[in-house]
Amino acid sequence: QTVVTQEPSLTVSPGGTVTLTCASSTGAVTNDYYPNWFQQKPGQAPRALIYSTSDKHSWTPARFSGSLLGGKAALTLSGVQPEDEADYYCLLYYGGAWVFGAGTKLTVL
Amino acid sequence: QVQLVQSGAEVKKPGSSVKVSCKASGGTFSSYAIRWVRQAPGQGLEWMGGIIPIFGTANYAQEFQGRVTITADESTSTAYMELNSLTFEDTAVYYCARVLGAAFDYWGQGTLVTVSS
Repeated sequence: QTVVTQEPSLTVSPGGTVTLTCASSTGAVTNDYYPNWFQQKPGQAPRALIYSTSDKHSWTPARFSGSLLGGKAALTLSGVQPEDEADYYCLLYYGGAWVFGAGTKLTVL
Repeated sequence: QVQLVQSGAEVKKPGSSVKVSCKASGGTFSSYAIRWVRQAPGQGLEWMGGIIPIFGTANYAQEFQGRVTITADESTSTAYMELNSLTFEDTAVYYCARVLGAAFDYWGQGTLVTVSS
């Protein structure tokens, strides 16, 4: 059973920078896992932010960026805004199957 | 403008089946994959499977193999997800999402399926 691990929760101050990570139980995450990142606010459908590690959708705010960091996929928010408070999920590809992480609850305080 | 519009909420008995639809507009339906994801109350997202309409072949997460069927009707730009042998643990919001290559982009609004006796 493949497990994708994210930080359960993180707290950041408005205007600050925070990095969320996404690890795979199979080993180092590479571009071949095509990491996707999503933001979800209560009562809403997920919103796609990042695909293929670091590519942004047309609607993705510039303060969001994706990368690989220390064998994990990473989502960095720079200049955090109060409206960034949400759950964030990563998604990794395993040769035909996709597996979500359990999500990170980001609090802006 | 791309939109995925899902069918309405359902209440089902244990042991029954549910079929959720996802109608796409504003894009070329056959060029994309449609993936299905569910979210149990207070829980995270779970990938169930997907289909590429132009090929008509579906693949499924191991946890749902034999219990889920995903189909697509190109003539109406609609994808379907049917889940059988429902249990209380299948109570969740079911989402469809459009995928091009490895990029998930647009999502449906979600369909709440409640399994209750």
